[in-house]
Amino acid sequence: DQQVKQNSPSLSVQEGRISILNCDYTNSMFDYFLWYKKYPAEGPTFLISISSIKDKNEDGRFTVFLNKSAKHLSLHIVPSQPGDSAVYFCAACPANTGNQFYFGTGTSLTVIP
Amino acid sequence: DTGVSQNPRHKITKRGQNVTFRCDPISEHNRLYWYRQTLGQGPEFLTYFQNEAQLEKSRLLSDRFSAERPKGSFSTLEIQRTEQGDSAMYLCASILILAETNTGELFFGEGSRLTVL
Repeated sequence: DQQVKQNSPSLSVQEGRISILNCDYTNSMFDYFLWYKKYPAEGPTFLISISSIKDKNEDGRFTVFLNKSAKHLSLHIVPSQPGDSAVYFCAACPANTGNQFYFGTGTSLTVIP
Repeated sequence: DTGVSQNPRHKITKRGQNVTFRCDPISEHNRLYWYRQTLGQGPEFLTYFQNEAQLEKSRLLSDRFSAERPKGSFSTLEIQRTEQGDSAMYLCASILILAETNTGELFFGEGSRLTVL
């Protein structure tokens, strides 16, 4: 049962434009969300997180938006750079237990120079 | 380097052999996780430790899998009688759980890729 879903396996964006990666979740107990970036043959690298008490968190070119009523979050990358080309995973966990982190299946982003 | 360290990075073995992976977490982190990742999938939870105590195991962790964290520092993941279906990337992650939020960010190692022939 996939509790965190990334329905777009891939995304291509021109350099300088905005990249929007989407993630949906089904478990209403999730209240802490994270985005990770992964290059081939490397482990995932933490990018940005958001707790359910917020609806937006920004860090440089990266902004995460959370819509709790829709159980949806998105990662915006502006402006996109070729070095952003990687697989992006969203993850969620129920912060009251903080035990398991559930990951989506990933979206492969290609930024075209 | 103060990140999460895993070794070996790659292991090729024949079906039926035992393999062991080691993870050295970030020293001040109090929790250590093992995940498995196969092609086209996200990381799947296997087990986690709070200091030296193994507190949760996934259904994915069959009897052939055992994990230890003997002194609350490094951890090992052993797979006995490997099967071809065990071929995957095994990821270790550590986290400093913040008391005020009871959560934090997972920091992953670079993974140990297992190929079972």
